Formats: sequence, C-alpha cells, structure tokens
Amino acid sequence: EPEVTQTPSHQVTQMGQEVILRCVPISNHLYFYWYRQILGQKVEFLVSFYNNEISEKSEIFDDQFSVERPDGSNFTLKIRSTKLEDSAMYFCASRTSGTGNWQNSPLHFGNGTRLTVT
Amino acid sequence: AQSVAQPEDQVNVAEGNPLTVKCTYSVSGNPYLFWYVQYPNRGLQFLLKYITGDNLVKGSYGFEAEFNKSQTSFHLKKPSALVSDSALYFCAVRGPYGNNRLAFGKGNQVVVIP
Repeated sequence: EPEVTQTPSHQVTQMGQEVILRCVPISNHLYFYWYRQILGQKVEFLVSFYNNEISEKSEIFDDQFSVERPDGSNFTLKIRSTKLEDSAMYFCASRTSGTGNWQNSPLHFGNGTRLTVT
Repeated sequence: AQSVAQPEDQVNVAEGNPLTVKCTYSVSGNPYLFWYVQYPNRGLQFLLKYITGDNLVKGSYGFEAEFNKSQTSFHLKKPSALVSDSALYFCAVRGPYGNNRLAFGKGNQVVVIP
C-alpha cells in the first residue's frame, strides 16, 4: 500500500536556525497537510495545501513557517528561525480528492519527524 | 471551531475483555468523525469514519464506533481486546462547510493487559 514518507525521522537544531522538514505524499493525492504534536499534547493542525497554494492555516502557522511543493513529489515545511517551543513531532499527511463529497476521504499520515530545538 | 474531547488519559483493559475509548465532539452542522491509531514511532493510521447513514460504523482490526448525535459522542469499541491493540487512539472531527481542517483530540493510551 502506498505510504506518505517523511525525512529525516529525527532532527536536532539550535535555536534560531532554519530547518526544512521533507515529505513525499502519496502520488495521486491532491491535498497536503502538516500537523504537529508537542510531547503529551494533542495533534495540532498547522496548514493545508491544495493546487499549489495554502488553503487554510492555523494561528500556530505564523510568518516563521512556510510550505512549498517544489516539484511533483515533495512537500516541505520550513521553519525560518526555530524556537525552543517548536520542539515537537511534525506529521505530514495527504489525501485524495475523492469523488463526490471530498469530506469522506481520510488523511494518510507519515511516520513523522521529531524536531528537537536546543 | 470544531473540537474533540477524549476525557481519559489511559484506558487499561484485560485481554479478551471489551474495549471502549470515549470521544465527544463539538462542531457546527453535521460532523464528519474519524478514529486514528498511533503505534510507537509511527504515524497515525486511519481506523474508521462516520459520514452519514448507520450510526454504527465498522473499521479495521475489528474496531467499530457508534455515533450518537444527541450525546455528541463517537465512542470507539472492540468486543474482545488483544495485546496488540495497545496503542494511542485519536478521535478527530471535521465540519461540513468546506472547512478543510481536521481537529484531533489529545489521544487515549490503551493498554491491554495479558
């Protein structure tokens, strides 16, 4: 079964540094997402992306964050100047548009990148 | 904005006993409800969903969930738990009005005791 793949599995960075988290969504999927999970807390929505633009973003997704689909397969999340509170597990997800009601199609998640900011 | 509450941090159950993981939701309009499971060092895996129709929906690995509109609940159930069901379970809700965002609960750790 096709999978969403994320690299690296674990990234350690110093505060103030830029990081890029990489994701390869499932090939025929059209909607892409980033979520994060701070240790012991709920999974939080960051951003959704469709048709080469952001379709929705949360209040967490401020100017320090950006997303890009640089080619036909990769979907990246960049944090320009990391803060200690950015330490979390970051999940990429994708889903197909489906037919009919698009709300029906579930998200497919990658295994996540654990970001540690020191 | 939509939200989900999973009131218990951890659910302990003996192997072979029924398993229930509770979830209540808040959303404007008819909800689209999902359950996901997360095993250690893995991403979230889709278990089942409720969109419309029968209130009892069946999903992967013998799990089912019951949608109760009056109680705004979507509890996950399994008649006979296995040790391999030990994992983190997340309930999620999406609203119907073109809202793209899926809101997750904080998750419930399920521990099945042999």
